[in-house]
Amino acid sequence: DAGVIQSPRHEVTEMGQEVTLRCKPISGHNSLFWYRQTMMRGLELLIYFNNNVPIDDSGMPEDRFSAKMPNASFSTLKIQPSEPRDSAVYFCASSFGAGTGNTIYFGEGSWLTVV
Amino acid sequence: AQSVAQPEDQVNVAEGNPLTVKCTYSVSGNPYLFWYVQYPNRGLQFLLKYITGDNLVKGSYGFEAEFNKSQTSFHLKKPSALVSDSALYFCAVGAINNNDMRFGAGTRLTVKP
Repeated sequence: DAGVIQSPRHEVTEMGQEVTLRCKPISGHNSLFWYRQTMMRGLELLIYFNNNVPIDDSGMPEDRFSAKMPNASFSTLKIQPSEPRDSAVYFCASSFGAGTGNTIYFGEGSWLTVV
Repeated sequence: AQSVAQPEDQVNVAEGNPLTVKCTYSVSGNPYLFWYVQYPNRGLQFLLKYITGDNLVKGSYGFEAEFNKSQTSFHLKKPSALVSDSALYFCAVGAINNNDMRFGAGTRLTVKP
């Protein structure tokens, strides 16, 4: 199993530029999560999809952030325009089902630096 | 909403000694408890989980955790630490849906030779 695949692994961009992070969940998983990790705030859930439908986006920090899941094998997280405070590690994760106790599997993360 | 606390930012142990990483939780109803490990520049890796049944859960790399309902704890343990166990450890608690799963702030474990 290839696991959750994220790209790019590292991105350095200038303030104001658009950033698109990509994720391929584990085949067969129908729940997908985007998390953000920073030293100050730890691990935060940004948005959660079930069967390609956004279920909870209350963690999305502001309108500059958007996420899509056009099909079961692909999701994007977009930041437009980016700001230095968006610098963080962004993790995509997936699980089979959204029911209680299902294990969430994480990708390796996308390290974003906005200068 | 459920929450989890990891009271220690850092745990230092000598190689070969037993290790414990502490976690306490707060949740309405039955808790679903997880431990993940994060190595430098890597994603979180699942170690073990408690859903129901035996209070002692065994997981990857020789780790185990004990669910204690009366103390609302789920401490991670290993009988003999390895230098390669040095990493950041996260406890997480879930309730009805995984979208409500809350992670602790993490505990950095350092195992010294």
